[in-house]
Amino acid sequence: GAVVSQHPSWVICKSGTSVKIECRSLDFQATTMFWYRQFPKQSLMLMATSNEGSKATYEQGVEKDKFLINHASLTLSTLTVTSAHPEDSSFYICSARDDGTGGTDTQYFGPGTRLTVL
Amino acid sequence: DAKTTQPTSMDCAEGRAANLPCNHSTISGNEYVYWYRQIHSQGPQYIIHGLKNNETNEMASLIITEDRKSSTLILPHATLRDTAVYYCIVRLFYGQNFVFGPGTRLSVLP
Repeated sequence: GAVVSQHPSWVICKSGTSVKIECRSLDFQATTMFWYRQFPKQSLMLMATSNEGSKATYEQGVEKDKFLINHASLTLSTLTVTSAHPEDSSFYICSARDDGTGGTDTQYFGPGTRLTVL
Repeated sequence: DAKTTQPTSMDCAEGRAANLPCNHSTISGNEYVYWYRQIHSQGPQYIIHGLKNNETNEMASLIITEDRKSSTLILPHATLRDTAVYYCIVRLFYGQNFVFGPGTRLSVLP
């Protein structure tokens, strides 16, 4: 299957600092990537849809000025958590859509980035 | 909201087949059934998807009932590494986001 990588796999930062997370599709091009957040013992929640060359679309309740998304190429999307606070501590997961044939498509997920804000 | 209903948890003996049910009674004609799994502290892993025919790949088999209101994911010979949360997802049409419900926590026991 298609491979999606994330970097870093974990990060610890101080409150008030910014953290950038990278998501890369390694063996396919992705015009659309997605960013999810997962709190302990909960399911994945979609934060935003990242489209190559255009602005991201954010889900209701997600602050676009706090979670900056850039999708500058067909294989790279970045999520920057600005002025991070302890409540932003979570598991952040990206996915990339592989446009398939036969009337449907499939998303492949990265391994996730665990963010801890002190 | 997720359009599927799955048992909260299941156990399976190592080496035996694991049969994970999913109810999607409101599925419409152009919706696909997808299965993903998430091993602890990892991103979800794609397993299989189907529309109305049964599907099989190197990981699992997907059995969809004739009325498409339910499906079963079959792991033919479960191993300890198959312990994970399994998500059954129904997608409305091409390009729609995946909506994750709570899934089924499968524990494969030695």
